[in-house]
Amino acid sequence: GEEVAQTPKHLVRGEGQKAKLYCAPIKGHSYVFWYQQVLKNEFKFLISFQNENVFDETGMPKERFSAKCLPNSPCSLEIQATKLEDSAVYFCASSQTGVSGEQYFGPGTRLTVT
Amino acid sequence: GESVGLHLPTLSVQEGDNSIINCAYSNSASDYFIWYKQESGKGPQFIIDIRSNMDKRQGQRVTVLLNKTVKHLSLQIAATQPGDSAVYFCAENPFMYTGNQFYFGTGTSLTVIP
Repeated sequence: GEEVAQTPKHLVRGEGQKAKLYCAPIKGHSYVFWYQQVLKNEFKFLISFQNENVFDETGMPKERFSAKCLPNSPCSLEIQATKLEDSAVYFCASSQTGVSGEQYFGPGTRLTVT
Repeated sequence: GESVGLHLPTLSVQEGDNSIINCAYSNSASDYFIWYKQESGKGPQFIIDIRSNMDKRQGQRVTVLLNKTVKHLSLQIAATQPGDSAVYFCAENPFMYTGNQFYFGTGTSLTVIP
């Protein structure tokens, strides 16, 4: 497709529950990026993929966050045992050329942890 | 960590006037910059980018200026229109060729007064 698709649009989880977010990059784009945006402020980079391989995971809180991009499947971001501070909008972006080119962002998934 | 910040959190301009949004960055090694526009409830939209070997780049109604001496980036929007109302983010990548993460600024909210 010509747009990055993210599902679900909204997700509500009780503290301690698992949350799983999905992203379908634009067809033909090799790179996928995940960002966390809290309170409409700055974006925190989480992880990037080149095809199914992790490209950069320096932003990931590894103890509870994990992500995958498997062939022929949407990419996913999973949060085990969610905490209140995980409440944010999670954006996925895809790119043909990695960080040296334009990144196309999806509409985001709003995660609310109660 | 890296610091990319914006001088003004909010900016109001009259329709038809020019807008200037500023951004300061801290890493003198940064070699690639992007300006994004984010409308309410949507993901960031690429506006324009610039590499560190340039000091000015023009697009349609937008111009980005880069001053590496003082580590300052600005976005100029000519003849601002109501549709330009949004939050604008600058993003910095210090390692374009190794593909590391982008660092986003806090954002400036632009309001265009009809």
